[in-house]
Amino acid sequence: DAGVIQSPRHEVTEMGQEVTLRCKPISGHDYLFWYRQTMMRGLELLIYFNNNVPIDDSGMPEDRFSAKMPNASFSTLKIQPSEPRDSAVYFCASSIAGELFFGEGSRLTVL
Amino acid sequence: QQPVQSPQAVILREGEDAVINCSSSKALYSVHWYRQKHGEAPVFLMILLKGGEQKGHDKISASFNEKKQQSSLYLTASQLSYSGTYFCGTPRWSNYQLIWGAGTKLIIKP
Repeated sequence: DAGVIQSPRHEVTEMGQEVTLRCKPISGHDYLFWYRQTMMRGLELLIYFNNNVPIDDSGMPEDRFSAKMPNASFSTLKIQPSEPRDSAVYFCASSIAGELFFGEGSRLTVL
Repeated sequence: QQPVQSPQAVILREGEDAVINCSSSKALYSVHWYRQKHGEAPVFLMILLKGGEQKGHDKISASFNEKKQQSSLYLTASQLSYSGTYFCGTPRWSNYQLIWGAGTKLIIKP
């Protein structure tokens, strides 16, 4: 079975540009999470969904960030406009029975 | 409240044992352990629930003492493949909203 699939793996963009990160969770998993990891702040939960419904987005830094899950097999995290402080590795994870399965991450660099 | 992990880093020779601790200032009903190798995603190790149980995963085991609000991860006869950063996660409101410790970096030398 394929794991969690994220794209792009690497993104370099300029400040002010829109960034869209994509995630395909493991089939059958009913929870999907978006995390951000930086050296300074560690691993932070941004938002999570249960059965495609956003449950808690209190970790989303500000209105520039938005996430959607239009169906059980696809989710996006959008940053508009992007800023240099958004540079980080963004992980998507899906879960069943409490165990998190992480994708390989999307490394975002905002210049 | 972020759980506190100790030590921050440890260097071992292959075959030596290590203990990594995770403590919280709030009552816990579960502790989650993950390992992340450099440049890779975190990988699940185990979840410990209330009851002071111990769990094992290969030569890695863990205990959970909810009265002391802490968990310890034990790595026995460490192998090179154990190198990485170990994170504990504790629930904020539910098992799906984890707050992560800062991590313990484990380096195993041959």
